[in-house]
Amino acid sequence: DIQMTQSPASLSASLGETVSIECLASEDIYSNLAWYQQKPGKSPQLLIYYASSLQDGVPSRFSGSESGTQYSLEINSLQPEDEGDYFCQQSYKFPLTFGSGTKLEIK
Amino acid sequence: EVQLVETGGGLVQPGRSLKLSCVASGFTFNNYWMSWTRQAPGKGLEWVASITNSGGSTYYPDSVKGRFTISRDNAQNTLYLQMNSLRSEDTATYYCTRDYYDGYPLIGVMDAWGQGASVTVSS
Repeated sequence: DIQMTQSPASLSASLGETVSIECLASEDIYSNLAWYQQKPGKSPQLLIYYASSLQDGVPSRFSGSESGTQYSLEINSLQPEDEGDYFCQQSYKFPLTFGSGTKLEIK
Repeated sequence: EVQLVETGGGLVQPGRSLKLSCVASGFTFNNYWMSWTRQAPGKGLEWVASITNSGGSTYYPDSVKGRFTISRDNAQNTLYLQMNSLRSEDTATYYCTRDYYDGYPLIGVMDAWGQGASVTVSS
């Protein structure tokens, strides 16, 4: 199975700041990486797919990038509504696997 | 508007069975692969099962293979998850999800999620 190592586990940042969340795949997943946001008490929502493609309706302050097997989610100009949990997920092969998640707190 | 509505959750004893349903609306159901993903209380996400748009093929992780069965009724726009031999570690919120499709499927990219069905396995 492909292991997705996500960091950090938690993050606290101020309004307007820029933050980055990382995911390291245990093998090459050829950009088949998605990012999800889960707000408190809500279902997850797709933010980014194929490493850097922004899902319809997602603000442009969210962006994804990759370098080898390392994938990053960057959130610019943090807003209060960005608080929540973020998960990466590989869709290259079954079984589909998720990172352990990052809890983002807005100070 | 895309909607996925799960039903069938509840409290069940270890070793017993439960069947979840997910009614889909707002899109052409038989074009899309569908999946179930779960989240144990306070924990992360775990993929549980996927099914092709026709229902002809299914996929499972080892943790549920042989115990869970995903199926669909395209005439009724409904996805199912039959869960047998339930264990305490199956306690979770179960989400019905739609795989991305834009003329071609991006299998495993979950672009729509239901509100979730809570399953508690306890004696």
